[in-house]
Amino acid sequence: GDSVTQMEGPVTLSEEAFLTINCTYTATGYPSLFWYVQYPGEGLQLLLKATKADDKGSNKGFEATYRKETTSFHLEKGSVQVSDSAVYFCALFVGYSTLTFGKGTMLLVSP
Amino acid sequence: DAGVIQSPRHEVTEMGQEVTLRCKPISGHNSLFWYRQTMMRGLELLIYFNNNVPIDDSGMPEDRFSAKMPNASFSTLKIQPSEPRDSAVYFCASSLRPAGTNEKLFFGSGTQLSVL
Repeated sequence: GDSVTQMEGPVTLSEEAFLTINCTYTATGYPSLFWYVQYPGEGLQLLLKATKADDKGSNKGFEATYRKETTSFHLEKGSVQVSDSAVYFCALFVGYSTLTFGKGTMLLVSP
Repeated sequence: DAGVIQSPRHEVTEMGQEVTLRCKPISGHNSLFWYRQTMMRGLELLIYFNNNVPIDDSGMPEDRFSAKMPNASFSTLKIQPSEPRDSAVYFCASSLRPAGTNEKLFFGSGTQLSVL
């Protein structure tokens, strides 16, 4: 079946450090890929998405590129802020199904 | 729009009691989803509705769990009787387009359930 694997957290960084959160997927079809973010005490919200190979999704300084050859969708940000501290979920969607989420990766950014 | 509204935000109950969680989706959205989040299992889809009709409840863990959507603006998730292992954060989410069409989900803030 379809699945998403994320790196385990927490990821602990200092402010202005470079961030990478790895995500790989297994899908029976040709999926769309997403990153959702969950801030403390809140529900998940869509951060960015990509619908086909080599597409780059971006939002709020975060980027992720759909790599079909490596079945990956790694999340990156050049300079993290304390306010980026949250749990990040990678997810995929294949037609006639629902979103499949990874287990989430907690990011902690210290001043 | 106020977003997806869940109530209560926190619920503490004793084992064996009935628990009812409530959700008001975003007006005009056609699909509604119930998720459960725990440290061990992550985010699990319990059930989802399209146009108020339950489509897939295969994620509901046991017969103690039931969900209803009597109209487009309200849904409930009921646990009867509750057990300590049901302790989790329960999220409701809605989407404009039907589930199965590459929908973008909008999540509520969740209900933190603790069963003692």
